[in-house]
Amino acid sequence: AQTVTQSQPEMSVQEAETVTLSCTYDTSESNYYLFWYKQPPSRQMILVIRQEAYKQQNATENRFSVNFQKAAKSFSLKISDSQLGDTAMYFCAFMKPAGNTGKLIFGQGTTLQVKP
Amino acid sequence: ETGVTQTPRHLVMGMTNKKSLKCEQHLGHNAMYWYKQSAKKPLELMFVYNFKEQTENNSVPSRFSPECPNSSHLFLHLHTLQPEDSALYLCASSHPEGGTGETQYFGPGTRLLVL
Repeated sequence: AQTVTQSQPEMSVQEAETVTLSCTYDTSESNYYLFWYKQPPSRQMILVIRQEAYKQQNATENRFSVNFQKAAKSFSLKISDSQLGDTAMYFCAFMKPAGNTGKLIFGQGTTLQVKP
Repeated sequence: ETGVTQTPRHLVMGMTNKKSLKCEQHLGHNAMYWYKQSAKKPLELMFVYNFKEQTENNSVPSRFSPECPNSSHLFLHLHTLQPEDSALYLCASSHPEGGTGETQYFGPGTRLLVL
């Protein structure tokens, strides 16, 4: 069974600085997807970034980028130029493709606070 | 606007009540999902529907009854719930043929309190 581990329950960063959130996962699959979702106080789950395991290039989305280390089964999220609106809970998630639908396996989440 | 809406946003019910949660997606997706988010626990997948057919029931108690009349609407019927069922219930949808793979897009959730 696949598992996702986020070892940092809480983190904080000063506005405009860079922060990295850690995520490791365990799977025997070779093809899969990895995601980072953001859940602000409004509780809306928002997709931040997505990575396909077969792609060696790390995904980037504006100020958000990942460091995907397939052999190490590591998938960290880097937030550059942190903004107050980045304050949220961040979830790492794993998905094994399964036909038309896939099961998302979530980590426990990391609460990030951006301080002014 | 995320394209996935959920109603009601908040619900308080007694253990003998019957209520329903509604989810609607405006993204043209074919698959819909129910997740449960409890305090101190990771999100748990409950049900998956693909083209209106249930493809996953993650050992959910029968007091939760899903219904998917079409690809745009998903319901979760609740009856004789327990206080431990209090949680945030999230709906999601996906369309693997839409160029985004199997990325799931979430609604804002319904916060349920069972007294």
